Amino acid sequence: DAGVTQSPTHLIKTRGQHVTLRCSPISGHKSVSWYQQVLGQGPQFIFQYYEKEERGRGNFPDRFSARQFPNYSSELNVNALLLGDSALYLCASSPTRGGGTEAFFGQGTRLTVV
Amino acid sequence: GQNIDQPTEMTATEGAIVQINCTYQTSGFNGLFWYQQHAGEAPTFLSYNVLDGLEEKGRFSSFLSRSKGYSYLLLKELQMKDSASYLCAVDSNDYKLSFGAGTTVTVRA
Repeated sequence: DAGVTQSPTHLIKTRGQHVTLRCSPISGHKSVSWYQQVLGQGPQFIFQYYEKEERGRGNFPDRFSARQFPNYSSELNVNALLLGDSALYLCASSPTRGGGTEAFFGQGTRLTVV
Repeated sequence: GQNIDQPTEMTATEGAIVQINCTYQTSGFNGLFWYQQHAGEAPTFLSYNVLDGLEEKGRFSSFLSRSKGYSYLLLKELQMKDSASYLCAVDSNDYKLSFGAGTTVTVRA
């Protein structure tokens, strides 16, 4: 069974550029969440999408946006990249939106901003 | 806000037992997760506690006290492959997990 897949696995961008990260959830999962993990820290919640609608947003600037497609895959977009955006971006899928449901994580996209 | 604390690092010998503590103060509480994360890899699920008490799963056990805002993960019969970061995460509402910074466990021969 395919797990959560993310692309690309690694990415190097220059300050001020834009980036799009992609995530395909586990088949049958309708909820996708995005997390940012800076080196040495735990993941920080960015967005949750469920049934193609934004259901939750963390404390991130408007430069961060996301969307979910009819097939439940998702994109995370970051505009006007800053050096501080360098991190591992994790996508997690769950079968439902509700609490108490295990979140399955993808391998992540390692973004380096130079 | 959410405040989740766990030790930064722990070192133990192969075959030994290690206990990783996690204390939390959150605006809501549905349950508490423990994840294992090897360097450069995705976090993988270890346990989920909703009610007070001890949940045992093979070499790993997790304990929760909701009144004290406290949990621990117990790793028994440590193996070299257990060297990883262990993340405590609180499910505080219906759409996100709030993570601690992680505890790096190093297992020595």
